[in-house]
Formats: sequence, C-alpha cells, structure tokens
Amino acid sequence: DSGVTQTPKHLITATGQRVTLRCSPRSGDLSVYWYQQSLDQGLQFLIQYYNGEERAKGNILERFSAQQFPDLHSELNLSSLELGDSALYFCASSFTVNTEAFFGQGTRLTVV
Amino acid sequence: DAKTTQPTSMDCAEGRAANLPCNHSTISGNEYVYWYRQIHSQGPQYIIHGLKNNETNEMASLIITEDRKSSTLILPHATLRDTAVYYCIVRVAITPGGTSYGKLTFGQGTILTVHP
Repeated sequence: DSGVTQTPKHLITATGQRVTLRCSPRSGDLSVYWYQQSLDQGLQFLIQYYNGEERAKGNILERFSAQQFPDLHSELNLSSLELGDSALYFCASSFTVNTEAFFGQGTRLTVV
Repeated sequence: DAKTTQPTSMDCAEGRAANLPCNHSTISGNEYVYWYRQIHSQGPQYIIHGLKNNETNEMASLIITEDRKSSTLILPHATLRDTAVYYCIVRVAITPGGTSYGKLTFGQGTILTVHP
C-alpha cells in the first residue's frame, strides 16, 4: 500500500458526460501528479500541483481540469467525455518536488 | 529531461539476479536516475533512485557508471512476483523558474519476465 488513495476504483460513464476523480495523497505530501495510461499509450503526464498551485502541465486536454485543495487532496475533472478517454488514471504524490513519488492504484474509466 | 533507452524485454530465471540496463547518455548534472515498475495494471511502484553513487535498498541495487551515461538496476534474487514492466526515468531536480518541478516522464520500459 503506497498510502495514496484514489476513488473511485472503477467508473463507467457515457460519452458526453463529466466525471470527477479524486486523489488523497500520502500524509504530509505536498505535491500531486496526475497520469493517464491508455492501452495504446504509455503513462502520460497530465498535470502537477504543489501545495495548491499548479506547477507543471503535460498533454492535458482542454476538456480536462484539475485542482488541489487546501487539505491537499486533488481532483481531476474530465468533461465532454469521448470513447478515447477510456483509460487508467493514476495519481501520485511526493513530499517535495525532489523526493520520490508514490502512486495510487488508479481509477479505471470506461466511456461507453 | 534526458531521454532513456531500455531493452524492450528481458527474461530471467527465478532465483537468479536480474540486471536491467538503461542508457541515459544525455543526462545532466542535476538529473537523477529513478526506477519504477508496474505490475500488470497496478500503479507504478517506486524502486530506487540515485544521482551518481551506487544505491541499495531492500528491493534492489542501482549501479550508475562513473560518467553517469548509463545505469543498471539489479534485483538480486528475482521471483515470479518481480515480473513487471520496469521503467528507467531521468528526473530533473528542482529548477528555479523552470517548469519541470519533478515530473516523471515514463518511456516504454523493459518487460521483465521471470521464469520458474
């Protein structure tokens, strides 16, 4: 158990819908990272937050957004969902930006 | 971030040492070498990281060449549970005013299969 909690574990939704994925980092970790892993792609970095502020952005679609709250948990919002958004979404956390990051078990999103 | 090159796949017999190579010839002085693994579709698992000295922990050893252009992850006594995709990642240290801020960029990794 990495200490990073992601909910829900599985999510099935229809095209055009909006979903919110939640991540609770390890206790004391200030940095949160979001990754997407689809079948035909590797682990793609989406976005990073540090102590509530966005710090780095990867190939995140405009339909996707995220935030980190004062209690340091983070949410990834995916809207206008398409079939191609079906993937595993991982959250990771680290104490600082220079320490090792630990990953949650992911949320498997299926868009039908 | 510096790119890494890893073999696509490797095999290892159970109980033997698994030596996974990684080439990172363009690594900069402020970049660390990290190793993660992913078992099936689970979340990636942190293994070990280092800057220039060799490192060892309860999971593995990391050997970094003197010129830092390559490294080897060693699993001393591989078990069937070590079958996974192993990722070698070069991660830049904090860069004031930069945008990296510690993100981990995953490549395709090495599929390690441990055989009975």
